[in-house]
Amino acid sequence: QLQLQESGPGLVKSSETLSLTCTVSGGSISRRNYYWGWIRQSPGKGLEWIGSIYYSGSTYGSTYYNPSLKSRVTISADTSKNQFSLNLRSVTATDTAVYYCATYYGATNYFDPWGQGTLVTVSS
Amino acid sequence: DIQMTQSPSSVSASVGDRVTITCRATQDISSWLAWYQQKAGKAPKLLIYGASTLQSGVPSRFSGSASGTDCTLTISSLQPEDSATYYCQEAQSFPLTFGQGTRLEI
Repeated sequence: QLQLQESGPGLVKSSETLSLTCTVSGGSISRRNYYWGWIRQSPGKGLEWIGSIYYSGSTYGSTYYNPSLKSRVTISADTSKNQFSLNLRSVTATDTAVYYCATYYGATNYFDPWGQGTLVTVSS
Repeated sequence: DIQMTQSPSSVSASVGDRVTITCRATQDISSWLAWYQQKAGKAPKLLIYGASTLQSGVPSRFSGSASGTDCTLTISSLQPEDSATYYCQEAQSFPLTFGQGTRLEI
């Protein structure tokens, strides 16, 4: 049974880079047909999909980003650690949110399961 | 982008009642829709996918349906543990988008 756990700083300064890692247990992130994604939740914007990565064992994974964040986001994977990561550059107070990692099978785009979430606050 | 509009934004009901939540998409999503339940301080939990397929382990009092751009989540015979916020999510195309949520108070 897959389990996901987010980790990273809970406080990031404005204009800096938010970096989070999702550690996966119960299965390999390079297993076929599994996609790995990031979603955030803020009081002002509700649930927002950030992006997803598909890593099939090749040297790099396919990534899909929300156009509203694409210019600032990078999602990558580290198969040696069974982790995938989120980097969000040039953050502002509007990036303050609970960040979740989640997975889905195939190209279904239905997220299950989710990590417990981690609150990231952007301060000036 | 496909926009998802949920209604109502909140609802109060009693144990044993039947509640219906609606999600309307700005274009046909061909049943590519999921419903999630989120309890306070927890991550969302997948309830229904494909508009009407119950995720394993979800009680049968939950059901979903779709017709064109409209999808509904019905909870028959409400239980105290159903108190939560419910979200729909379109899964047809990127960017994936969620409804704004419906808060259900028992």
